[in-house]
Formats: sequence, C-alpha cells, structure tokens
Amino acid sequence: AQKITQTQPGMFVQEKEAVTLDCTYDTSDPSYGLFWYKQPSSGEMIFLIYQGSYDQQNATEGRYSLNFQKARKSANLVISASQLGDSAMYFCAMREGQESSASKIIFGSGTRLSIRP
Amino acid sequence: GAVVSQHPSRVICKSGTSVKIECRSLDFQATTMFWYRQFPKQSLMLMATSNEGSKATYEQGVEKDKFLINHASLTLSTLTVTSAHPEDSSFYICSALQGRGHRYYGYTFGSGTRLTVV
Repeated sequence: AQKITQTQPGMFVQEKEAVTLDCTYDTSDPSYGLFWYKQPSSGEMIFLIYQGSYDQQNATEGRYSLNFQKARKSANLVISASQLGDSAMYFCAMREGQESSASKIIFGSGTRLSIRP
Repeated sequence: GAVVSQHPSRVICKSGTSVKIECRSLDFQATTMFWYRQFPKQSLMLMATSNEGSKATYEQGVEKDKFLINHASLTLSTLTVTSAHPEDSSFYICSALQGRGHRYYGYTFGSGTRLTVV
C-alpha cells in the first residue's frame, strides 16, 4: 500500500528566507510520481511541481524545487525567497504506476506554512 | 491550460435532503474523475474513482449508496450526497485526469464545494 508522510504540521518562516517542507513516501511500485500542491484558504488546489520516479534530475519550477532522494524515499519541497503569498497549506501527493496509467493520487496530511513579514 | 469547473462552490441544505455537485471539464476530455472530501484542517481523502461510462470504484469505508457518482460523459461528472446529515458537512473536491495521463498536468482540480448540512 502506498503511503505519504508529512511530519511538519506547521511551520513559520521569515519573509525572503528559504523553506523546506518534508515529505517521505512508501511504495513497492518502481514507477510512481510525486506531486506538491498548495491549498490557500479559498480551498483550491494549486499544482506546484512534479517528479517522476525515473527522472534523473530534481524538478524545478520557478521558486519551487523538489529535493528527490530516491534511496531515502523522500521528496522535499524547497521554496526559495519566500513571500507572504506563500502562506498556505502544502500537500505532498503520490501516484503509483506509470504516467500513462489512470491511477489515483493520495495525499499526505499537509503542512501549514506561515510567512512572517 | 486545463480547467475544471465545479459547482456549486457553497451549499447549505437541510438534513435529509440530497445535494448534487457537478464537475465539468471545460477544454479537455476527462476520462477519469476522482472525488475527494476534506474535513477542516485535514487532508484530502479519496472517496471514489469514476471512469466515463462505467460504475465508480469506491474506496473502503465510503458508502456507495449515499455518495452517488455519475460520469455519463467525457466532460461531466456528478456527485450526489443523498439524505445528507450534519456529519456529511465537508469540503468536496473533484480532480479530472486528462486523456490517458499527461505529464505534469494530468490531474486538474475543481475549485471545491463546501457543503453544510443543517
């Protein structure tokens, strides 16, 4: 069974600092995908970044980067130069199976990030 | 980019009534739709997976007779909460999968529906 673990229920970070949100996963499937989503208070799910299990390089999307350590089964999200608008709930998620499969994704428990001015 | 329109965004209903939530893919065909519910300050829990033209697959512990899912077309999926009770009050959100999977942008979420049963 697949499992996603986020051990940080909440984090406070000073504006303009970098922040790392932790995520570990567990799966026996060699093919999987890892996602990070941002959920502001409005409730919408905003896709941030994706990492495939066979990707050789860590994914990056603007200020977001994913520190993928396959042997440790971790996929931490790094946000550089944090902004006040980054305050939100962040979810790590995983899909088992290849990208072409219509597999469900499951979510971790989330981390509430608060940026201090 | 891909957009999923979810309606209503908020609904308040009386206990015992039924509520229908719609998710419509606006510019792509959603062969698979996932329905999640989220209680306050908790994570998204998958309720069911539906494929166009076939019966939905429900996760363990989800009452299929209470949460009716219809995916009659490639652009529309509905979730009906039947005989709603206060404990059904939650945030419901759909996620559409484009085609047979698409890198990076395969899962497009609706904006969610906040259901309050009084």
